[in-house]
Amino acid sequence: AQSVSQHNHHVILSEAASLELGCNYSYGGTVNLFWYVQYPGQHLQLLLKYFSGDPLVKGIKGFEAEFIKSKFSFNLRKPSVQWSDTAEYFCAVTPMERGRRALTFGSGTRLQVQP
Amino acid sequence: EAQVTQNPRYLITVTGKKLTVTCSQNMNHEYMSWYRQDPGLGLRQIYYSMNVEVTDKGDVPEGYKVSRKEKRNFPLILESPSPNQTSLYFCASSSGMSSYNEQFFGPGTRLTVL
Repeated sequence: AQSVSQHNHHVILSEAASLELGCNYSYGGTVNLFWYVQYPGQHLQLLLKYFSGDPLVKGIKGFEAEFIKSKFSFNLRKPSVQWSDTAEYFCAVTPMERGRRALTFGSGTRLQVQP
Repeated sequence: EAQVTQNPRYLITVTGKKLTVTCSQNMNHEYMSWYRQDPGLGLRQIYYSMNVEVTDKGDVPEGYKVSRKEKRNFPLILESPSPNQTSLYFCASSSGMSSYNEQFFGPGTRLTVL
């Protein structure tokens, strides 16, 4: 079974600082990769996704992520964070095979941006 | 507006009192799923459904039941809730089984079992 690790559990940054959140997964086959964001009191929203092609993917709100296959990583980045980016961020994977199509989530990273 | 709705949003109950959390989507999606979110554990899948009358267990199905009598609805049933089922629950749907299909999440139901 696949698993996802997010090593940063709680990150505190000042506005305009750069952000990088780590995500590593373990799975023997090909996966699709996602980053979801959960703003306080709200449901999960898709930030970006990677299926194939250019390993550097751009999402909404200035976020991007890079898939490095050799490292089984899909780190999330943003050059300059804003107070409104305060949220919890989840990395998720799903195998590219027929099956129950479950997203396997990491434990999440809580980002706090101080004004 | 395309959305997944859940009711109730907040629920406090007592051990053993049966409850149902409803989930409905208006996107004509075939695939629906329930997750629970616990601190430090992320989201874990409870049950999923590939279409009407087709349901199967996820990673943490114990203590839960589901049904899928209509395409749009996928209720989560706790026959005899226990305190370890205190959690935040999310329903999700997508247009098919393919991994390329984005899952859309509901707003969540915060359940407390005393």
